[in-house]
Parts: sequence; C-alpha cells; structure tokens
Amino acid sequence: DAGVTQSPTHLIKTRGQQVTLRCSPKSGHDTVSWYQQALGQGPQFIFQYYEEEERQRGNFPDRFSGHQFPNYSSELNVNALLLGDSALYLCASSFVRTGVYNEQFFGPGTRLTVL
Amino acid sequence: AQSVAQPEDQVNVAEGNPLTVKCTYSVSGNPYLFWYVQYPNRGLQFLLKYITGDNLVKGSYGFEAEFNKSQTSFHLKKPSALVSDSALYFCAVMEGKSTFGDGTTLTVKP
Repeated sequence: DAGVTQSPTHLIKTRGQQVTLRCSPKSGHDTVSWYQQALGQGPQFIFQYYEEEERQRGNFPDRFSGHQFPNYSSELNVNALLLGDSALYLCASSFVRTGVYNEQFFGPGTRLTVL
Repeated sequence: AQSVAQPEDQVNVAEGNPLTVKCTYSVSGNPYLFWYVQYPNRGLQFLLKYITGDNLVKGSYGFEAEFNKSQTSFHLKKPSALVSDSALYFCAVMEGKSTFGDGTTLTVKP
C-alpha cells in the first residue's frame, strides 16, 4: 500500500499564475481533505471532498478550488497566486463511516513557492 | 466555531522521564479529538483519537491522552520518553471540518 501520494513534490510559480496539485488517497479511502501549512503553523483546513462533491470548506477564498474524481483522487487548484500562498499543501485521506470521524492519513505534501 | 490551543511552543524532557504535551479545545457539540505527530521531512502521522468512551485513550508508540470534559483538555502523555519521540506534535478537533493547533515541538534529551 503506497499510502497517500502527492505530486509534484516542489513547485515554483510567479504571482498571478495558476497551479494544480494532485493527490491519490490511501487504498480503501473515499474522502480527501486539503490543508495549507505555513511555516511554523499548524495545517489550515481548505476543503474536503467526498463522493466527488465539496462537503466542507474552511476560510479560504474562491481562488482555491478542487475536484475529486471517480477513483477518489483529487486536485487542488489555486488561481491568481499571491506571495502569501507560499506554503506546504497537504492532502489527507480517510474513510467515511456514518456518525464516525475517522483519523486522516496524510501525504508528504507539495511545497509551493510563489515568487 | 471550533478552536484548539496548544499553549506550549516547546517542551523539553530528559529521556526516561514522563512527558506531557498540552491541548485545550472549544467546540459547540461533542468533541472528536486527535493527536498527530510530524517528523522532519515526513508527513503527519496519526497517534490517537478520542470519540467517546474511556477518558484515557491509548495510541501508537506508547502514547496516551487524557480527555477532561470539564477542563476541555486533551493532553498527550507518555510515561517514559525516548529520544526518538522528538518531533512536532499537533492536536486537532473535528466537527465536520478539522481544526489543528499550531503545534508543540517536543525535544527529548539523552
């Protein structure tokens, strides 16, 4: 089992550009969540996808959007990049069971640098 | 709105001594609480969770956590620290969406 995988590992963009990050969940998982982790801070919840729909969203602007595919993999898109978007982007997967909040398995992250 | 606080940025303990990493939370409903650990250049790893039931939760690598509803706390503990426990520890609460604390760096010295 490869666990949660993310690509690319590192990415350098300039202000105003758009970026797409990719995530494959752990085998058997159906839910993907995305987080932004700035240096020295805890992960900040961006949004969660389940059954190909956005189910929960954190306090992030509409420049942040996502998608989940039928195979449960997911993409995070960020438009009109700002310097402040530079961070480690983490993907986490879990298995949804009714009435139970399960632990999340995290990928290694994508380090995004905006110049 | 839910929130998590980890009041200590850094905790230092000697190997073999007990350790405690503190966490307090605020939620409107029943708390679902988690501890994760982040080793350098590695992703976050799940340690343990409290959903319901016993207030003392046992997890991976000998860690345990004590849930205290009256004090709204969920402190992480280990009876005997190892140098290899040195890492960044995050407390999180989940009520639909997840909220993480800012982390506590644990350093265990030989």
